[in-house]
Amino acid sequence: QLHLQESGPGLVKPSETLSLTCTVSGGSIKNSYYYWGWIRQSPGKGLACIGSIFYSGSSYYNPSLRSRVTMSVDTSKNQFFLNLRDVTAEDTAIYYCARHIKGPQGPGPSLYWGQGTPVTVSS
Amino acid sequence: DIQMTQSPSTLSASVGDRVTITCRASQNIGSWLAWYQQKPGRAPKLLIYKTSLLETGVPSRFSGSGSGTEFTLTITSLQPDDFATYHCQHYDTYPPGFGPGTKVDIK
Repeated sequence: QLHLQESGPGLVKPSETLSLTCTVSGGSIKNSYYYWGWIRQSPGKGLACIGSIFYSGSSYYNPSLRSRVTMSVDTSKNQFFLNLRDVTAEDTAIYYCARHIKGPQGPGPSLYWGQGTPVTVSS
Repeated sequence: DIQMTQSPSTLSASVGDRVTITCRASQNIGSWLAWYQQKPGRAPKLLIYKTSLLETGVPSRFSGSGSGTEFTLTITSLQPDDFATYHCQHYDTYPPGFGPGTKVDIK
């Protein structure tokens, strides 16, 4: 059974960088059938895709966040990562990592999700 | 980006009721639509993908239909475990976009 687990700080100061890790177990991240992504959920804005990455490193970023997002993958550790720069209070949310099946033009829906990690942006 | 809307935003129903939730896309997304169920404090659970295909293990009382810009999720006989929030998601183009959710609560 595939398992995803997010880790990272729960509190980040405004203008700093939010860094999260997703550790995958029960299956290899080096799989040509799936993308690996980050999705966040905030009370005011619902669910939103942040970005997705393939094991090779090719990535998709949400245009609304592209200027601040970097994702990477470490296949040797079966992990992938999110960096979100210059955060504000609007970035306060629950952050989920997930595995996406392939859609017609990139990442599709997600069957497997992490449990989610709450992140608050505050000084 | 393609915008997704859902109606109603909240739905009050009783066990055994037939429930229908509508999801609309701001442009044609073909059949590239998924439905999720989410309970408080939990990650979303994939129920249906490609409009009408049930994920393994999802009860047959759930069904999906539609195409283009209008889609529905139907629960034929609501069970106690079904009280939750339901989200639609298009994945026709990137970024995949979610609807705002429909909360199904107890009447």
